[in-house]
Amino acid sequence: AAGVIQSPRHLIKEKRETATLKCYPIPRHDTVYWYQQGPGQDPQFLISFYEKMQSDKGSIPDRFSAQQFSDYHSELNMSSLELGDSALYFCASSPRQESSYNEQFFGPGTRLTVL
Amino acid sequence: QKEVEQDPGPLSVPEGAIVSLNCTYSNSAFQYFMWYRQYSRKGPELLMYTYSSGNKEDGRFTAQVDKSSKYISLFIRDSQPSDSATYLCAMSDRTDKLIFGTGTRLQVFP
Repeated sequence: AAGVIQSPRHLIKEKRETATLKCYPIPRHDTVYWYQQGPGQDPQFLISFYEKMQSDKGSIPDRFSAQQFSDYHSELNMSSLELGDSALYFCASSPRQESSYNEQFFGPGTRLTVL
Repeated sequence: QKEVEQDPGPLSVPEGAIVSLNCTYSNSAFQYFMWYRQYSRKGPELLMYTYSSGNKEDGRFTAQVDKSSKYISLFIRDSQPSDSATYLCAMSDRTDKLIFGTGTRLQVFP
């Protein structure tokens, strides 16, 4: 079965550089979520999109922005990178179901290292 | 204090043992309760999902939710070495975001 695709899988950047992470949801999933997982920590919700509109926002720094495109893929843009941004970034997708919980399926993650 | 508390372990058990994993939470608005399994350097994989209080069984896995005590559990019967992973509880109210526990690292030795 098709899964969530994230690219790149690994990314190394210098401080103050920018990075773009991409997420391709499972076919027919219209909702995308982004999470950040620091070393030894639990995943923290950043932001979510439904039908190309932001649907919820968590602890996402102002230096980060994200969007969802017409083909439902999403990109997380990170600027002025800091050492503390080094983490595993997960994307999850779900089909929107108004009457029940939106089960989230996670991708393999992008490991960002900021030097 | 975190909204969701989970003992980080590690928990080490022999093959065939029954494993009990637990989380407590403080937000009474949570209605959806999930257990995810995460292997090293991989994305979380959904194991069980429960709505409100009650029990749910799926093969060797049983999830329990006690909303009155704000306490959820995952039981793994006949544990296998392949069950060795980090188990994360996660919860949600009616919004999109999941609130995760810190995860319990489980090791099942032959």
